[in-house]
Amino acid sequence: QKEVEQDPGPLSVPEGAIVSLNCTYSNSAFQYFMWYRQYSRKGPELLMYTYSSGNKEDGRFTAQVDKSSKYISLFIRDSQPSDSATYLCAMSATGGFKTIFGAGTRLFVKA
Amino acid sequence: NAGVTQTPKFQVLKTGQSMTLQCAQDMNHNSMYWYRQDPGMGLRLIYYSASEGTTDKGEVPNGYNVSRLNKREFSLRLESAAPSQTSVYFCATTGARNEQFFGPGTRLTVL
Repeated sequence: QKEVEQDPGPLSVPEGAIVSLNCTYSNSAFQYFMWYRQYSRKGPELLMYTYSSGNKEDGRFTAQVDKSSKYISLFIRDSQPSDSATYLCAMSATGGFKTIFGAGTRLFVKA
Repeated sequence: NAGVTQTPKFQVLKTGQSMTLQCAQDMNHNSMYWYRQDPGMGLRLIYYSASEGTTDKGEVPNGYNVSRLNKREFSLRLESAAPSQTSVYFCATTGARNEQFFGPGTRLTVL
């Protein structure tokens, strides 16, 4: 079993839809949770960061962490064609040097 | 402030040839990483350097060597390239919150 599981999609939604992206993990030591967005032929860029449990909101994006269920989510409201990209979840433990990435979910937002 | 830079952007090698991928960061971060990204496999850690003067193997180190030249630079060397090393290679650094910052990537094809 992988440490981090993420549905690769692809996920196709119409413009304006609410998008929900999810990851599950097995290592209870993870404390730092991140979402990266990667456009085609580009490097991943940090989108959202959460420490421990809870929610974080930034504009149209909301990240949620449920440590009891070992489940993290990224919600995109009012999705735009410019949101079409691959979204990778990532997590790491306190004092650890390694970040574990999900395989990424490809999202297509149709105009 | 360029962040993380990588050279070259593209490279085609023949089986058995050698090459070095260069990475430099101006973010004054201690930790640097090399990943490879393949379709359906996500980001896999090849080697990392927690600080200047130290290097450690990641998940897929076979066929690669690294050098942490100084705090800014971390190079990845393929001594005898194989078709299985065809991939996109990303260099990254880690910030104070364990978040990673990525370079633009090197697309390598081994024929």
